[in-house]
Amino acid sequence: DADVTQTPRNRITKTGKRIMLECSQTKGHDRMYWYRQDPGLGLRLIYYSFDVKDINKGEISDGYSVSRQAQAKFSLSLESAIPNQTALYFCATSDWGEANEQFFGPGTRLTVL
Amino acid sequence: AQSVTQLGSHVSVSEGALVLLRCNYSSSVPPYLFWYVQYPNQGLQLLLKYTSAATLVKGINGFEAEFKKSETSFHLTKPSAHMSDAAEYFCAVSEKGGSEKLVFGKGTKLTVNP
Repeated sequence: DADVTQTPRNRITKTGKRIMLECSQTKGHDRMYWYRQDPGLGLRLIYYSFDVKDINKGEISDGYSVSRQAQAKFSLSLESAIPNQTALYFCATSDWGEANEQFFGPGTRLTVL
Repeated sequence: AQSVTQLGSHVSVSEGALVLLRCNYSSSVPPYLFWYVQYPNQGLQLLLKYTSAATLVKGINGFEAEFKKSETSFHLTKPSAHMSDAAEYFCAVSEKGGSEKLVFGKGTKLTVNP
């Protein structure tokens, strides 16, 4: 079984709809991250959490919110989806300490019509 | 603020040829540097990382990278390309003593021709 799982893997929604992307991990890591990937732009950090009570904005948090329900679960919500939020979304986890590897989920491809 | 520049969004090599993917970074404090690889329809996985222990870093699948402070570079190389190396490669930087956030470059897509 995969260490970092994301659901759904693909989602098509309409402008204005609320949508939630979910991430679960079995690695026992405290740190979790949400990124979006756009062609030619690389990965950009949306939100990150270093433990259940710690939530931080990343580079591009506008239009997004997150919830850390447990150590193993970190959800990303789009309150009112818009077409320019069409992207590939990745969840990642890492252990405490400096320069630790981030482990990525398989991604969720979101299309907003 | 940290940043990463990857020169060349697409690189094409022949099977068996040298692979060279370029990465330059900007950081106001000593950096940690990473190379990640993304195979089609997959998430990213770590190839190698620089944490100041040694300037030449060896990673998985025969890749290595050399940290050059004077050039602010961390280029990725592999002596002989294999068809299975076709993927997108991302360079990333984080700050020592910082928040552990990664800042990614825009990526370089490597094509390997038979």
